[in-house]
Amino acid sequence: AQSVTQLGSHVSVSEGALVLLRCNYSSSVPPYLFWYVQYPNQGLQLLLKYTSAATLVKGINGFEAEFKKSETSFHLTKPSAHMSDAAEYFCAAITSGTYKYIFGTGTRLKVLA
Amino acid sequence: DAGVIQSPRHEVTEMGQEVTLRCKPISGHNSLFWYRQTMMRGLELLIYFNNNVPIDDSGMPEDRFSAKMPNASFSTLKIQPSEPRDSAVYFCASSIRTINTGELFFGEGSRLTVL
Repeated sequence: AQSVTQLGSHVSVSEGALVLLRCNYSSSVPPYLFWYVQYPNQGLQLLLKYTSAATLVKGINGFEAEFKKSETSFHLTKPSAHMSDAAEYFCAAITSGTYKYIFGTGTRLKVLA
Repeated sequence: DAGVIQSPRHEVTEMGQEVTLRCKPISGHNSLFWYRQTMMRGLELLIYFNNNVPIDDSGMPEDRFSAKMPNASFSTLKIQPSEPRDSAVYFCASSIRTINTGELFFGEGSRLTVL
C-alpha cells in the first residue's frame, strides 16, 4: 500500500536559515507528489506538485522540492526562512488513475526571530 | 473564483444533536472530498464523490455519518446523533477528476465542537 512519511512533526529554524522538510513515499509506481501548506485556521493550499516532468519543482513563496526516485524522497526546501513561513506543511501522493490522495502526518514549521 | 465555500465555520453543539455541514465546490470541478482533521489522526478521507455520485465512503466512521451531493454545486455532511469524539475540523475539497494530477482545493473548514 502506498504511504507517505514526513520525518519530524516539528521543525524550528531561525529567520533567514535554510528550511528543509522531509518527505518519503512508499510506492512501487512513482506517484504524483504534492506539498500543501496550512496556515492557522485555514484550509490546505498547494505549494507545488511533481507530475513526472522536471524533477526539481519550484512552487510559491520561494519553496522548491526535488523528486529523487532512488531515494523515494520529495523533500521541501527554501533557502531563507521568513516569519510568514510558519505553518504546517503536508506532503501528499496520488497514483495515476486513482483518486485517493495519501497525506503525510504534517510538519509544523516554527520560524525563530 | 470564490473558492470552496464551507459553512458554518464554527459549530458548538451538545451531544446527541444533529449537525449539518455544508460545502459549495468550485464551479466546474467534478470531484468532491470530505476530510476530517484531528490532532490524533491527522487528515482522514471520509467520502469521495465524482460527478455527484458517492464513489468511496469507506472512511465514514459510523452510520451516524452521512453525506449527500444533490447537485454539482452543493454537498452536505450530516452527523446524527453527534458525540464528543466527533469534535474536529471538517474540510471539503474539490478537484477536476479528469486531470489525474489535479490539485485539491480546500475550503477553510468547519470546526465542530461537541460538548
